[in-house]
Amino acid sequence: DTAVSQTPKYLVTQMGNDKSIKCEQNLGHDTMYWYKQDSKKFLKIMFSYNNKELIINETVPNRFSPKSPDKAHLNLHINSLELGDSAVYFCASSSLPGRDPNNEQFFGPGTRLTVL
Amino acid sequence: EDQVTQSPEALRLQEGESSSLNCSYTVSGLRGLFWYRQDPGKGPEFLFTLYSAGEEKEKERLKATLTKKESFLHITAPKPEDSATYLCAVAGIKAAGNKLTFGGGTRVLVKP
Repeated sequence: DTAVSQTPKYLVTQMGNDKSIKCEQNLGHDTMYWYKQDSKKFLKIMFSYNNKELIINETVPNRFSPKSPDKAHLNLHINSLELGDSAVYFCASSSLPGRDPNNEQFFGPGTRLTVL
Repeated sequence: EDQVTQSPEALRLQEGESSSLNCSYTVSGLRGLFWYRQDPGKGPEFLFTLYSAGEEKEKERLKATLTKKESFLHITAPKPEDSATYLCAVAGIKAAGNKLTFGGGTRVLVKP
C-alpha cells in the first residue's frame, strides 16, 4: 500500500497555464507538507498543514495556493506558471510532534513539473 | 535562521571502502537532526533522528553521530546498493510546526 501518493508523476505545461498537483496519505497523519526540490537538489519547505489548518507558509509567490479538503489530502494549485517553477515537488506527512519518537516525515514519490 | 551544510557534495567509493559524510548545522536550539536517503526519481526515505550531542544510531552499514555543531554519517564497508544521495536536515526549536531545513545532500556512488 502506498503511504503518500502524488498525481501526476510528470507534468509538462506552457508558461502562463494553471495546474494542480494532488497528494493523499493513508497513514492517519495530522500534518502534511509541500516541498520544492530545485535542479541543484536543494529541498525546501513551502507549506505545512495541520488538520486542514495552515501552519507553515514560507516565502512562496502567492501564485501557489495549497488546499486541504481533509487531513488526508493536501493539493497544490499553481497559477500563471513561470519557467522558474520547473522543479520536483514533494508532498510529505507526519504525526503530531511527540507521537512519533523519530518525528519522521514520510515523502511521496514527487511530481516533476516542467514549464516550457 | 537555521542552516545546514553538507560535505562533500559527491563521493565515489569502491565497494568495501568505508567513509564518512559531514553535516554542519547552525540552529538557535536543536529539536532534532535527521538523515534521509534519496534514490534517483524517488522521494527521501527516513534513516535516523538524533536529538542530543553524543547520541549515535546505527542501521546496517550506516551509523549516525551528533555533536553540538555537526553530524556524521559513517558508511562501513559500503555496497553498490548504498549508492544514493544522503540528505541531512534540522528542526530548530524556533521553527514553526515541524519545519525541516535541509542541506544540499551528498551524492554517494559505490562501485563494485
